[in-house]
Amino acid sequence: DAKTTQPNSMESNEEEPVHLPCNHSTISGTDYIHWYRQLPSQGPEYVIHGLTSNVNNRMASLAIAEDRKSSTLILHRATLRDAAVYYCILRAVGTASKLTFGTGTRLQVTL
Amino acid sequence: GAVVSQHPSRVICKSGTSVKIECRSLDFQATTMFWYRQFPKQSLMLMATSNEGSKATYEQGVEKDKFLINHASLTLSTLTVTSAHPEDSSFYICSASWAGNTEAFFGQGTRLTVV
Repeated sequence: DAKTTQPNSMESNEEEPVHLPCNHSTISGTDYIHWYRQLPSQGPEYVIHGLTSNVNNRMASLAIAEDRKSSTLILHRATLRDAAVYYCILRAVGTASKLTFGTGTRLQVTL
Repeated sequence: GAVVSQHPSRVICKSGTSVKIECRSLDFQATTMFWYRQFPKQSLMLMATSNEGSKATYEQGVEKDKFLINHASLTLSTLTVTSAHPEDSSFYICSASWAGNTEAFFGQGTRLTVV
């Protein structure tokens, strides 16, 4: 599996935008970029995914570099409920292929 | 999104006993289910992949005779921790998916404590 690199932790103030970076320099052409987050004592939750173009949904935006070697998850207005560990994962195109979790970024949101 | 339900959410068992954890997909047919284990302050570690009607595929270092996985139907997979020991205490999480989809759905996790 191609590897991803994320900062261990980040902090944000509430109501401020948050940009969570992820490097994936060995990404292959058929790898989707997925983001999941895990709140304390819960299972992970899907956030967003993309292949080449930037993506938006109700939770976040995903900005993908032109060479696909990095991406950024954007939370437009962080709230206390967004405090979680955010995982950037590469997932091969295919039938229900497995997710391999890295260490993720622990996001702290303060008032 | 699709719902995956895990049961129980917490269990305490005595050392040497076996514990069964259920993972159900409530509103879709899960052709593939994944089982993960997570120790405190660590990331999720994939234990095994199970496809409905066939034997599970275990990751390297995971004992298949200790962690029995059954995926007998398209909506239910079970993980049985046999002869549990304190070092098996962990947060166990299942995930379910179906052919052709790109999103994985996770259960809420089961916290196992072996005393």
